[in-house]
Amino acid sequence: GENVEQHPSTLSVQEGDSAVIKCTYSDSASNYFPWYKQELGKGPQLIIDIRSNVGEKKDQRIAVTLNKTAKHFSLHITETQPEDSAVYFCAATVLSGYALNFGKGTSLLVTP
Amino acid sequence: DGGITQSPKYLFRKEGQNVTLSCEQNLNHDAMYWYRQDPGQGLRLIYYSQIVNDFQKGDIAEGYSVSREKKESFPLTVTSAQKNPTAFYLCASSPASWGFYEQYFGPGTRLTVT
Repeated sequence: GENVEQHPSTLSVQEGDSAVIKCTYSDSASNYFPWYKQELGKGPQLIIDIRSNVGEKKDQRIAVTLNKTAKHFSLHITETQPEDSAVYFCAATVLSGYALNFGKGTSLLVTP
Repeated sequence: DGGITQSPKYLFRKEGQNVTLSCEQNLNHDAMYWYRQDPGQGLRLIYYSQIVNDFQKGDIAEGYSVSREKKESFPLTVTSAQKNPTAFYLCASSPASWGFYEQYFGPGTRLTVT
């Protein structure tokens, strides 16, 4: 089955800096890659997703890039703010309606 | 308000007892899922259902059971056979079991078994 590796497990940045989280996947058939943000004690919320026919997608301060050849995708957060502090999960699947295969998460801390 | 509700938020049980976690959605979604989350781990799939009266095992189904008698409800029973049941349980739903659709998560239930 699909195996998703996520790095780093923890990341600390200063407010205003950029943060990058990287994930690799094993199944070349995977074609949908969402990123979720989870705040303490809450369920994850989708922040951005990308399909395999797109190399990059941006939504304000958040962007995701996908390299299908290398089987890795990354989350980029620019101009970080303290409210960006949370755990971020990447995931991969063949179709989004099927169960997602999650990475182990990255705990991001943005210090003022 | 539309969304997914999970109750209760915190649940305590004695070892050897079965316990049922509730998950209800009013989004008219076809697909529903149960995930388990442990500290430092990603979300691991327990069971999923693509349509009423049908469900499939996920990666860690042993010691769990589910039912899908109604479209809006997907309860999870943690049985006494589950060796390490203490965890954070998340329910999710998706508009369909095919295509590119977001999975929406509920707020979770934290189960503690002593």
